[in-house]
Amino acid sequence: DGGITQSPKYLFRKEGQNVTLSCEQNLNHDAMYWYRQDPGQGLRLIYYSQIVNDFQKGDIAEGYSVSREKKESFPLTVTSAQKNPTAFYLCASSPGGASYNLPLHFGNGTRLTVT
Amino acid sequence: SQQGEEDPQALSIQEGENATMNCSYKTSINNLQWYRQNSGRGLVHLILIRSNEREKHSGRLRVTLDTSKKSSSLLITASRAADTASYFCAKGNQGGKLIFGQGTELSVKP
Repeated sequence: DGGITQSPKYLFRKEGQNVTLSCEQNLNHDAMYWYRQDPGQGLRLIYYSQIVNDFQKGDIAEGYSVSREKKESFPLTVTSAQKNPTAFYLCASSPGGASYNLPLHFGNGTRLTVT
Repeated sequence: SQQGEEDPQALSIQEGENATMNCSYKTSINNLQWYRQNSGRGLVHLILIRSNEREKHSGRLRVTLDTSKKSSSLLITASRAADTASYFCAKGNQGGKLIFGQGTELSVKP
């Protein structure tokens, strides 16, 4: 079955620690995205990548970093510089670049709690 | 905000009733998409309507788009308890990124 796998489902960290969230897709999609979702709010775009070794900042990139070394993988690091890291993080992919506004396929998210 | 509004924020209905959710936006769009999210899960794409289309159907779902009013609606007919979820509209704008609304939380009571 093709899809997007995010791991782990739940993640707990102490304040001041960096943490990396995994996202893997076997859909052969070119574009991948990271969104943040807070309670009662919509999704906000953190970073996106349209091709291997290239990525762009979204609307709330501060305190986050990404890499895209392989087409199928787009890990997100939440750094200690992110002031409010506790949130639900969603990874998504689409077959074409972001400019095509294609439907997104989502993983089932990672809920990060930082105390 | 660039996101526009979704309303209502929450909707509670009985099984068998229809559910209507609305989405407004402020800037020009290429398309508008609707997604569903079950609690604690990722979003699932339901339907996409292009800016030159006025209505689309998919099973029990009907989406309309009124570009003059910059609004869209999602109608779920003959709702079921399994339709309980949050529903989001996402605007595909010419900048290339999807802009998600805040969602409508639908509760269908058996």
